[in-house]
Amino acid sequence: NAGVTQTPKFRVLKTGQSMTLLCAQDMNHEYMYWYRQDPGMGLRLIHYSVGEGTTAKGEVPDGYNVSRLKKQNFLLGLESAAPSQTSVYFCASSKYLAGGPGNEQFFGPGTRLTVL
Amino acid sequence: AQKITQTQPGMFVQEKEAVTLDCTYDTSDQSYGLFWYKQPSSGEMIFLIYQGSYDEQNATEGRYSLNFQKARKSANLVISASQLGDSAMYFCAMREGYGGGGADGLTFGKGTHLIIQP
Repeated sequence: NAGVTQTPKFRVLKTGQSMTLLCAQDMNHEYMYWYRQDPGMGLRLIHYSVGEGTTAKGEVPDGYNVSRLKKQNFLLGLESAAPSQTSVYFCASSKYLAGGPGNEQFFGPGTRLTVL
Repeated sequence: AQKITQTQPGMFVQEKEAVTLDCTYDTSDQSYGLFWYKQPSSGEMIFLIYQGSYDEQNATEGRYSLNFQKARKSANLVISASQLGDSAMYFCAMREGYGGGGADGLTFGKGTHLIIQP
């Protein structure tokens, strides 16, 4: 049981390049999330998904796209990377819980992305 | 306005002492959840404790307890008998509303860097 895994762990891009970050979870969770963490800041929500085939925007969605073609995978894409997207990216998942906000999110180890 | 405020950027505490990390929140929802996560220097996010807005008792998990004062909108984390391994960043976070079964993401504070000294 690996939990939440992220690929790659590190990446350096040049401005304008594109890339896809892959998140996979083996806990059969319905919900998946992408966050970014910048120095001196907490995590900020980029996009999230409430189930296979669905996605929704979070707090900071501009410059990113996502897809959830399979329940266990959630992809984050950068079509044209910018230096402002230099950050640590975390994927998370949580189970469905009817009628309450109380289920914790399980986080992946993070991807450190640098855009030059 | 910030939804989660952590006023202590950094704290130094002697080993074995109790630690209180402050967190205040802002929401107009009646239903919400409050979470604390630990982020050690290795970078992973570790869930510590959860408090629901309707929970009448303060949450406890081992050495962690949450001092929940709803009227003051505060959710302070208390670590009893601190250990060297407690040195890390600590984040308070909130999920508002039922949001279709709690689907919406968490809103995080900026964190407190806790250093335990021997």
